[in-house]
Amino acid sequence: RKEVEQDPGPFNVPEGATVAFNCTYSNSASQSFFWYRQDCRKEPKLLMSVYSSGNEDGRFTAQLNRASQYISLLIRDSKLSDSATYLCVVNSNTGTASKLTFGTGTRLQVTL
Amino acid sequence: EADIYQTPRYLVIGTGKKITLECSQTMGHDKMYWYQQDPGMELHLIHYSYGVNSTEKGDLSSESTVSRIRTEHFPLTLESARPSHTSQYLCASSELGGDQPQHFGDGTRLSIL
Repeated sequence: RKEVEQDPGPFNVPEGATVAFNCTYSNSASQSFFWYRQDCRKEPKLLMSVYSSGNEDGRFTAQLNRASQYISLLIRDSKLSDSATYLCVVNSNTGTASKLTFGTGTRLQVTL
Repeated sequence: EADIYQTPRYLVIGTGKKITLECSQTMGHDKMYWYQQDPGMELHLIHYSYGVNSTEKGDLSSESTVSRIRTEHFPLTLESARPSHTSQYLCASSELGGDQPQHFGDGTRLSIL
């Protein structure tokens, strides 16, 4: 089982739709969580950190469920410019080190 | 906007050449990383560093080597490039601390003929 697993893509949605991505992680000791966005042939860019209480940034809402070990990202009123791959990232402390594990990503295609 | 820079952006070169991919950051971050990513595939960590004179191998075995002589600089070297090294190489940095996100450079797209 992969340490971080994401919904298989691609998600093809019309403009204005609400879309939700889920991500599960296997290490219960994981401590911090992020969503990154990666455009085709570009570098990943931090979209938002995920806090225990859930957090919102404009049209984007991230939630964390520690008991079930999953993270979600909700995009409301999707725009064409939201088309990208969304990477779930989990940070786990392993003794003296911390390790950031990236999911394989879920591709979103927003269409007219 | 993160201040982390990679050069060159693109490199097409013949087999057997020695290559150094440069990565510099001006944020004073202690931690730096190198990832390898093929088109449409996931990121694979190949090297990381916690600070000057610290280098560790990542999850994916790589024939490349790295050095960290200065905090801001984390170059990656391939002694003898082969076509199997063709990929995109992404450098990242972060502050120390388990809850710090990584900031990525633009990447170097390497093609070995």
